[in-house]
Amino acid sequence: AQSVTQLGSHVSVSEGALVLLRCNYSSSVPPYLFWYVQYPNQGLQLLLKYTSAATLVKGINGFEAEFKKSETSFHLTKPSAHMSDAAEYFCAVSDREGGGNKLTFGTGTQLKVEL
Amino acid sequence: KAGVTQTPRYLIKTRGQQVTLSCSPISGHRSVSWYQQTPGQGLQFLFEYFSETQRNKGNFPGRFSGRQFSNSRSEMNVSTLELGDSALYLCASSFTSGGSSYEQYFGPGTRLTVT
Repeated sequence: AQSVTQLGSHVSVSEGALVLLRCNYSSSVPPYLFWYVQYPNQGLQLLLKYTSAATLVKGINGFEAEFKKSETSFHLTKPSAHMSDAAEYFCAVSDREGGGNKLTFGTGTQLKVEL
Repeated sequence: KAGVTQTPRYLIKTRGQQVTLSCSPISGHRSVSWYQQTPGQGLQFLFEYFSETQRNKGNFPGRFSGRQFSNSRSEMNVSTLELGDSALYLCASSFTSGGSSYEQYFGPGTRLTVT
């Protein structure tokens, strides 16, 4: 079974500082990986996706992630945090067996941005 | 394009009752998935429908069921509600080509409270 592990349930950074949210995956087949963001009382918004093309993936709002097979990692980064980035972030892996589309999510990382 | 819509947004039910939640996918998306989000269990996959057929099912009791209509709209039903069913229920849709589905786009969710 595929799974993802997010290290750090809470991360706090200063505005303007680097954001690094960690995600490690476990998969017996080449994975499709995703990062989603959730703002309070809202659904999930897709930030970016990795689907076996370029290993460095750029997403919305200045976020990017690098797929590293040797480290089984897909960490999310942003060079300079903004107050509006405060939200919960979820890493997910897609189980595409049989053409299906089940997402398995990590436990989430709450990002706090301080002045 | 309009996003994924879910109705109702908020719902309060009593233990033992049943509830039906509705989801309208993005136009052209034929795959619809449902997820349950709770503070204790996080985001968990319920089921996925494609072309009116259930393609994947998560590890939930039979009280949770769903269906998809010919216009790709989907409903999920929970019978004999329990307090533990209180959660945010998220619907997601994705484009499908050649039997394979792509990234999922989420609706705002239905907040179900069981008293």
